[in-house]
Amino acid sequence: GAVVSQHPSWVICKSGTSVKIECRSLDFQATTMFWYRQFPKQSLMLMATSNEGSKATYEQGVEKDKFLINHASLTLSTLTVTSAHPEDSSFYICSTSGFGTGPYTGELFFGEGSRLTVL
Amino acid sequence: GEDVEQSLFLSVREGDSSVINCTYTDSSSTYLYWYKQEPGAGLQLLTYIFSNMDMKQDQRLTVLLNKKDKHLSLRIADTQTGDSAIYFCAESIRRSGNTGKLIFGQGTTLQVKP
Repeated sequence: GAVVSQHPSWVICKSGTSVKIECRSLDFQATTMFWYRQFPKQSLMLMATSNEGSKATYEQGVEKDKFLINHASLTLSTLTVTSAHPEDSSFYICSTSGFGTGPYTGELFFGEGSRLTVL
Repeated sequence: GEDVEQSLFLSVREGDSSVINCTYTDSSSTYLYWYKQEPGAGLQLLTYIFSNMDMKQDQRLTVLLNKKDKHLSLRIADTQTGDSAIYFCAESIRRSGNTGKLIFGQGTTLQVKP
């Protein structure tokens, strides 16, 4: 089945720095990728929908200047947390669906997640 | 609006059946999902059901959907200690061409006691 890979799995950074998280679809073309954030002991909240070659669509309350999303190719989407602060510490998960491989299957594939800790 | 609710915690003994319940509000849901998350890990798709189905069985997993009551359940037969995890139900919203967006419940922590 489809595999989605995220990198890095863990990242610790100092406050004020920027961190880039990559999400790759390894065996199919992902025209749409989704970025979620999960705080400890909470559910996943959709941050933005990333479409290849166009601007991402952000959910209400998510700062697009702080969470930069780039989806330049059909296999790679990146999330950059700019000027990170401790409150940005979270588990970030990307997902994508098999649209590029044919009819909509209804299945989303998730990356392993990236845990960001901002000191 | 879009809302998915789950009970937060379930404890069972190894070998028993586990039933995790979920309710949702959006009647336009097309697919409903169950995901498993182990500590520190990403999400693993367990199973999903299309909204025009009532039941789906996959080995030890049985999903029941009551569309009238907007109620979804996941039954795990012969629960094992390796099933201990957080289980999320999610609904897929297809509206305005925004296919693939999921709304997640809070997650149910399943504890399996030996």
